[in-house]
Order: sequence, then C-alpha cells, then structure tokens
Amino acid sequence: SAVISQKPSRDICQRGTSLTIQCQVDSQVTMMFWYRQQPGQSLTLIATANQGSEATYESGFVIDKFPISRPNLTFSTLTVSNMSPEDSSIYLCSARVGNTIYFGEGSWLTVV
Amino acid sequence: GENVEQHPSTLSVQEGDSAVIKCTYSDSASNYFPWYKQELGKGPQLIIDIRSNVGEKKDQRIAVTLNKTAKHFSLHITETQPEDSAVYFCAASKEYGNKLVFGAGTILRVKS
Repeated sequence: SAVISQKPSRDICQRGTSLTIQCQVDSQVTMMFWYRQQPGQSLTLIATANQGSEATYESGFVIDKFPISRPNLTFSTLTVSNMSPEDSSIYLCSARVGNTIYFGEGSWLTVV
Repeated sequence: GENVEQHPSTLSVQEGDSAVIKCTYSDSASNYFPWYKQELGKGPQLIIDIRSNVGEKKDQRIAVTLNKTAKHFSLHITETQPEDSAVYFCAASKEYGNKLVFGAGTILRVKS
C-alpha cells in the first residue's frame, strides 16, 4: 500500500488568486495523477505526472490553468491558477504503487 | 474514450442485508476494474479490484464479478453494517494501474 499526504487539506481562496497543492508519497513511484472532484460528483482526471517528463493533460484541462511539477519520485505539486468559483472542488493526488492506484485525502478548495 | 456507467445512484439497505452495485463500461480494451469507497471528508479508498483474466474475486464480505462479454462488473457486499455507509465508485482502465475512468458513484446507506 501507500500513504499519500496532501497539503493544504482545506482552504478558502480569493477569486483571481492561485494556490499550489503539494502531494507527498511515502515511497518512490513513477506515475502520479491529479484528479478533480466537484461537489457531489465523480472523479475526473486532470493530468498524469511522470517524473522527468512534462505532465500529460486530459481533454478540457490546460497547463496554463493547472501547472504541475514533478521534481522527484515522491513529490508533485498542482497549481490552480487565476481561480474562479467554478474551481471550487476537491483536488486529489494519486499514485501508482505496483498495479494499484492509491489516493490522498484530498485538498478541499472553496473560491469566494 | 472509455465511458463507465454506474447504477443505482443511491441504495438503502437494512443492516445485515446484501447490497449490489453494477457498472458497465464501453471500451472492450479495458482490463482493470477497481472499486473505491469514499467516506465523507476523505479520499477514495481501494476496497477490491479485478483484472480481465478473472471472473470473480472475493475478500471477506466483499466480492466483485466481471462479465467481459457483456462489459459489466458488479460489487457485492454481504451482511452489510452501518460502517459500510459511504459513496462507492467503480472505475476502469486499459492498463493495470494507469488512468482510471470513474463511474458516477453510488451512495450506500445501511440502516440499523
């Protein structure tokens, strides 16, 4: 299994600002993923972040809005840029350990 | 791309009864099907998964069945307990431990 820690766990953000979410995995992993879960909804993949390469974004998500860093095999960050109320969501970091994907507890962002 | 449909959206059962949640997928190339349980305020937790070379898998009170021909898979929880109350998500991917496409989720309520 894996322990995935995210910071912040919760935040209230002003419209137009940016926030960076940090994700730490307790073991070295090749593949990390960032998901968004809007209130009461399912999980949608934002991007895949492999160490040593640019993140791969899913349709509907762009790097300018959600820049991602992956500096080493245990850490990644997701920035939500120029936030609007529509960005109010849970942002979830996940990692592949073996053939299983584990999730962090999520970062709950409210944009006011 | 892959599309996963999940039913029912809500399910209420009496404590001790069984609960069944069903999912269908569209891409016949999908070969990995995990189930996640998400409690309020927490990240998704993997509870069981199945790969396309297996028809059924069981872990204590939880079982998953897969019908590749019909492209559907189901979660079975027996002897339900109040602590089983949560949102359950099915998912599918084309590569083990790679990008997951999630169903819409099922809110399970176990009444004591």
